[in-house]
Amino acid sequence: EVQLVESGGGLVKPGGSLRLSCVASGFTFSSYNMNWVRQAPGKGLEWVSSTDSSSRSIYYADSVKGRFTISRDNAKNSLYLQMDSLRAEDTAVYYCAREGVSQDFDYWGQGTLVTVSS
Amino acid sequence: QSVLSQPPAASGTPGQRVTISCSGRRSNIGSNSVQWYQQLPGTAPKLLIYTNNQRPSGVPDRFSGSKSGTSASLAISGLQSEDEADYYCAAWDDSLNGRVFGGGTKLTVL
Repeated sequence: EVQLVESGGGLVKPGGSLRLSCVASGFTFSSYNMNWVRQAPGKGLEWVSSTDSSSRSIYYADSVKGRFTISRDNAKNSLYLQMDSLRAEDTAVYYCAREGVSQDFDYWGQGTLVTVSS
Repeated sequence: QSVLSQPPAASGTPGQRVTISCSGRRSNIGSNSVQWYQQLPGTAPKLLIYTNNQRPSGVPDRFSGSKSGTSASLAISGLQSEDEADYYCAAWDDSLNGRVFGGGTKLTVL
């Protein structure tokens, strides 16, 4: 069974940093592109970042470019999101999502809440 | 303001057929395949439709997707109370070099 489990969320002050983790199981992690998607309270879904299976192709939404860094460790079946210079508008539930062969997000984690507030 | 445009709300009675539209541009829907996601209250999104009109295993055939030009639609026939959820369309955008989502449509079963 495919499972994605996020962790690392919490309360952080504006300008602070946080590192999210997503541990994958039930599939060959190193064969799949992975993504981060976020959802602000009461709002819609917003794609944040993606990495291909080998970390050669990485993309970011304009809203986080230069502040967030996506990475992965295929040996540990783990995906990460380093978030620096956090702003109030980064407050959201952050989901880890696997990218299927048809470029869809076929599996999602349960999400981890990041709150940026003084 | 989302790159893909969806109506914020839709509704129907049990047994009815409802459709949700998703409008984009040549750089996203016009050039790439569309996905639809269902998000039940308090849960993570779930893939409902991929590659414009394909259903993952386990998704009832009451759900169908279509695409024409720079627009796409999700149709739900035989509406059931458990279909009450938020629905999002998505596609890759060649100009933005990123995935874009619609703003979401809240479906209410009356």
